[in-house]
Order: sequence, then C-alpha cells, then structure tokens
Amino acid sequence: DTGVSQNPRHKITKRGQNVTFRCDPISEHNRLYWYRQTLGQGPEFLTYFQNEAQLEKSRLLSDRFSAERPKGSFSTLEIQRTEQGDSAMYLCASSLSRPPDTQYFGPGTRLTVL
Amino acid sequence: GDSVTQMEGPVTLSEEAFLTINCTYTATGYPSLFWYVQYPGEGLQLLLKATKADDKGSNKGFEATYRKETTSFHLEKGSVQVSDSAVYFCALMTLANFGNEKLTFGTGTRLTIIP
Repeated sequence: DTGVSQNPRHKITKRGQNVTFRCDPISEHNRLYWYRQTLGQGPEFLTYFQNEAQLEKSRLLSDRFSAERPKGSFSTLEIQRTEQGDSAMYLCASSLSRPPDTQYFGPGTRLTVL
Repeated sequence: GDSVTQMEGPVTLSEEAFLTINCTYTATGYPSLFWYVQYPGEGLQLLLKATKADDKGSNKGFEATYRKETTSFHLEKGSVQVSDSAVYFCALMTLANFGNEKLTFGTGTRLTIIP
C-alpha cells in the first residue's frame, strides 16, 4: 500500500495561467475526492468520483475548474485562468465504497498564484 | 447545512498535561464523526472515528466519544507528548447524493507541546 500520491507538491503560477494537478489514489479504491484547504481553515469538499464518473460537484467549483478520472484510476484537477483567490492547498482522498470506508488523504498540492 | 465547530487554537501545553479539544456539530441524519491530524509537512491522517451514538473511538492514547444528546465529539488524551504537536481537525461524514460520503471539517486546532 503506497498511499495516495499527488503531484506536484508545490506550484507557483502567474494570474491567468492554467494549472493541472494529478492525484494517484490507493490502487483498489474506487472513490476519489478533491478538497481545497485555505490557510487557517479546514478542507472543503470540491468534487467526488466513483470509478470514472464524476457524480457530485460543490458550488465552490467554478466553471474555471474541471476534474477528470479517465479509466477510474488517477485523477486530474485543472484550473483555467487562475486567480489569486485560487491560492490554496488542493487535497485528494480515496476510499472504498464497500464497505463504507475511511477516506485516505494525499499530501496535497500547494498552489500559489502571483 | 452540515457544520463543525471546533475549539479555537492555538493550544500550548506542557508535556504530560491533559488535553481536551472541543468539537460540536450540526447535521441532518446520523453522521459518522472523525478526528484527523496533520503533522508539519504531512497530509491529513485519520486519528480516530465513531460511527454511531455512544461509540468511543481511540488511537495512540487519544479518545473521543460520540455524544448525540450534546452533538459533541471532544478529543482527549491523558498525557500529551512533544510528538503530539500538530493540527487537529474534527470532521463529520454524511451520505450525500450518489453515495458521496462527503466530509465536513472544522477549522482545525493547532496544538503545541513544550518539553
């Protein structure tokens, strides 16, 4: 069990640029979640996948954000036309659906938008 | 909507002191409750959980009891160590649409233990 991995760990970009983050879940986990954590706050839910299907999106996920999970394995989160308010830690978590299981978190990708 | 209110930090204690971090919640239905810990430079790790009323979760000397009547899940440890220094998050899980077991977190409590 190698755990959930995320890449890159840090990303610095200029306002208006596009960025993409990758999450590799624990191999047998069919559920995958993205959360966003800003400084001094707890993580907030962004979106949820079961296998390759994106089944729920938070209202926090504006049109500039898109997430995919092709083939139900790794996932990517893309932010287009980044804004300074997008600066945050982006966390990925995975879990099994049967039985209902604990979510295991990756180390996160810290995004800084200049 | 669902929410978690957590004791504000930072909290500073001496080694071997007794620890309590308060957590209360608001939720519809019957949530599961969790404490996650974030050590410096690391990701969130599950510390303990409880899935129904009166359950007690425990791990590494930490305990928390699911109290439905007071909607609380306070974290306690009898004797803290320097290695317990971290940020602690209380969270609840409710079943949303399509099997989404969404976690709702509190704001976190930073704990520092001094030798």
